Amino acid sequence: DTEVTQTPKHLVMGMTNKKSLKCEQHMGHRAMYWYKQKAKKPPELMFVYSYEKLSINESVPSRFSPECPNSSLLNLHLHALQPEDSALYLCASSTAGANVLTFGAGSRLTVL
Amino acid sequence: GESVGLHLPTLSVQEGDNSIINCAYSNSASDYFIWYKQESGKGPQFIIDIRSNMDKRQGQRVTVLLNKTVKHLSLQIAATQPGDSAVYFCAVSTSGTYKYIFGTGTRLKVLA
Repeated sequence: DTEVTQTPKHLVMGMTNKKSLKCEQHMGHRAMYWYKQKAKKPPELMFVYSYEKLSINESVPSRFSPECPNSSLLNLHLHALQPEDSALYLCASSTAGANVLTFGAGSRLTVL
Repeated sequence: GESVGLHLPTLSVQEGDNSIINCAYSNSASDYFIWYKQESGKGPQFIIDIRSNMDKRQGQRVTVLLNKTVKHLSLQIAATQPGDSAVYFCAVSTSGTYKYIFGTGTRLKVLA
């Protein structure tokens, strides 16, 4: 299995909702990432988990809460989001160290 | 801090011609470089990578050149095909970190 699977593909939520994005990989990768991508912009790093521990938080607002329940799963919990948080949220994984990031197809989030 | 830029936001090439996409980076400690292709509605797809101990690396119809002196890398696509139409990103990283900084992206349009 050489894929990163993200669910849901599309999500529409109101500013008072609580929702979660999920990411799964079975490549044995020990680093997992959340990126945010706005239209016509490059992916921007949000969080990195290494060996199930949060190693990088790029000063992301607390309304985004990551979770890594085990080495194969990565969640992004969403609460009280703003319309400007609407974007494509990409999950990626890699082996430890500087190596290829394998991306999922993304979750398209719309905040109303 | 790191900044990664691309010289051209859009590149139009005739089908069958060669394409060259450029990327400049600023951090001399960067030692790992990746090119990604992103089609509309999809996550970034790995094309080719290169480490700083190499100047050139070839894949199938693609070549990456790295010039560490001027902090510049390029992606060459031979015999460009309609299926190559996409946005291309360079990503730059440093060993020992999990930070991958993406360039601004170049849209490649292949003209029939």
